[in-house]
Amino acid sequence: EVQLVESGGGLVQRGGSLRLSCVASGFMFSSHGLNWVRQAPGKGLEWISYISSSGNTIYYADSVKGRFTVSRDNAKNSLFLQLNSLRDEDTAVYYCARDREQMTYWGQGTPVTVSS
Amino acid sequence: QSLLTQPPSVSAAPGQKVTISCSGRRSNIGNNYVSWYQQLPGTAPKLLIFENSDRPSGIPDRFSGSKSGTSATLGITGLQTGDEADYYCGTWDSSLGVYVFGTGTKVTVL
Repeated sequence: EVQLVESGGGLVQRGGSLRLSCVASGFMFSSHGLNWVRQAPGKGLEWISYISSSGNTIYYADSVKGRFTVSRDNAKNSLFLQLNSLRDEDTAVYYCARDREQMTYWGQGTPVTVSS
Repeated sequence: QSLLTQPPSVSAAPGQKVTISCSGRRSNIGNNYVSWYQQLPGTAPKLLIFENSDRPSGIPDRFSGSKSGTSATLGITGLQTGDEADYYCGTWDSSLGVYVFGTGTKVTVL
């Protein structure tokens, strides 16, 4: 069974930093691209980043470019998102999702709240 | 502001059919596969349709997808109360190099 489990969310001050993790199981982690998607309270889905299976190809949404960094450790079946210079509008539930062409599997999400 | 436009809400009685449109442009829907996602209240999104019209294993054939030009459509037949959820289309935008989600549509079973 494919599982994606996010962690690392929490309450952080405006301008602060946070590191999210997503641990995968049930599939060949090193063969799949991965995404981060977030959802602000009461709002729709917003894609924020993609990393290829090898980590060589990375894309970001303009809203996070230069502030967030995606990475992965294929030996540990883990995906990461480093969030820096956090703003009020970064408050959201952050999901990791597998695959490039479509988000085939999703984690349960980890909430991030940016407080002033 | 999303590049993919969906109606905010659709509704119908149990057993009836609803369709949800997703309107984009050549650089996204026109040139790429469209997926559809279902998000039940308080849960993570789930893939419903991929590659415009294919269903993952376990998704009933009451759900269907199609694409024509720069628009895509999700159809739900035999509507059930358990189908009440938010539905999102999604695809890559080749010009921008980003994945885009639709604005989302809330389905209500009357």
